[in-house]
Formats: sequence, C-alpha cells, structure tokens
Amino acid sequence: DAGITQSPRHKVTETGTPVTLRCHQTENHRYMYWYRQDPGHGLRLIHYSYGVKDTDKGEVSDGYSVSRSKTEDFLLTLESATSSQTSVYFCAISESHGMNEQFFGPGTRLTVL
Amino acid sequence: EDQVTQSPEALRLQEGESSSLNCSYTVSGLRGLFWYRQDPGKGPEFLFTLYSAGEEKEKERLKATLTKKESFLHITAPKPEDSATYLCAVQALYNFNKFYFGSGTKLNVKP
Repeated sequence: DAGITQSPRHKVTETGTPVTLRCHQTENHRYMYWYRQDPGHGLRLIHYSYGVKDTDKGEVSDGYSVSRSKTEDFLLTLESATSSQTSVYFCAISESHGMNEQFFGPGTRLTVL
Repeated sequence: EDQVTQSPEALRLQEGESSSLNCSYTVSGLRGLFWYRQDPGKGPEFLFTLYSAGEEKEKERLKATLTKKESFLHITAPKPEDSATYLCAVQALYNFNKFYFGSGTKLNVKP
C-alpha cells in the first residue's frame, strides 16, 4: 500500500469553528490532492498541489484553503466550518498529474453540527 | 458540460454470474480514464488506466475496455470478495486540473 496517512480519521465539530485536516505521505510523490466524497456526487476535487508551496483550486474550493510547506505534508483548512462541509475527505498522491494513477488515503469523516 | 455517469447504481450478482458495469463520459478531449475499487470505509484503490479507444486492460476477473464515449468494466465469474463500489474517473485533455468522478456502481456478489 502507498504510504499515505490522514489525521484525524474522525472529527465532530461545531459550525463556525476552524478545522485542519492533515495528509502525510512517505512516497515522495510530487502531486497531492484533496477530495470530498458525498452520496450522489462522487469524489470532487477541492485543491491540489504540484510542489512545495505550489497549490491550485479544484472544482469545489470555496470555503477551503490548503498549504504545503513540506513535500510529505498537505494540509486542508476549513476556516469556519459549515454543515454543508460535512463529508468524507480523501487525500491522494500521484507521481505525475494524471498520467499515473492516484493513490488514496484512508479518509477523514468530518461532521459539522 | 463535462460529466461522468455510471450505471447501474447497484448490481447484485450470484457468484459466477458474469456482468458488466458501464461508465459513460462527456468531456472535450480525454486524457485518461481510470477505474477504482472502493471498499466500505476505505479510500479508492486503483485498478486500471485507459488512454485511447480500443484499449483493453485485464486483472484477474476484471477487464476494462474503452470506446470514444464509454468504458466497460467486465467482471467474469465474480466471487463474493469482488463486492465493492467501482468508481470511474476521467481526466480532461484540455485541462489537466479537471478530474471527474462518477458516483460509482455498488456491486454485491452473493455466494
């Protein structure tokens, strides 16, 4: 299995609080991605990174920010969580941008009350 | 509008009963089409990448094929351990940032 961990694995928080999810990889892959998965919507790309300090928006980036200060870590921050951000969040890594498969982490289940 | 549609949403098979899952896509130029398997409570696991119409890939009881408008995942003589949700995703040729995932087909294989 690709070396990808996500923390926390489960989190319950209240509306309006900040939340940070962490993705850590041991594969030294250049590309890292954050997705959310909701019933009926499939996986949707939030943000991705193509190197340290290099990030770009995906399909559903509003309300989310990301940072990548080290190759191995990619952080997803919800500045002020809302109930619509209740979801399962997956991190993925890839050697190249799409020509190779993406390897996914185990996911973080976030509930915003 | 670029999108990916998978059918059926759910499929129940008896062990040994072969079938196919469908992934149809509308995207302005296809860079690649990906199949993943997802078990409950886990992240998707990569299965295949297809790049051009006519291409086929096989792995154990699974075979993926690609045409200009759709892809099929054929499951031959499935076993209960093949039960999972199968996801299809496409990447657009004109914008590498665009990854579109279908909602998946939930496969249940009964012994």
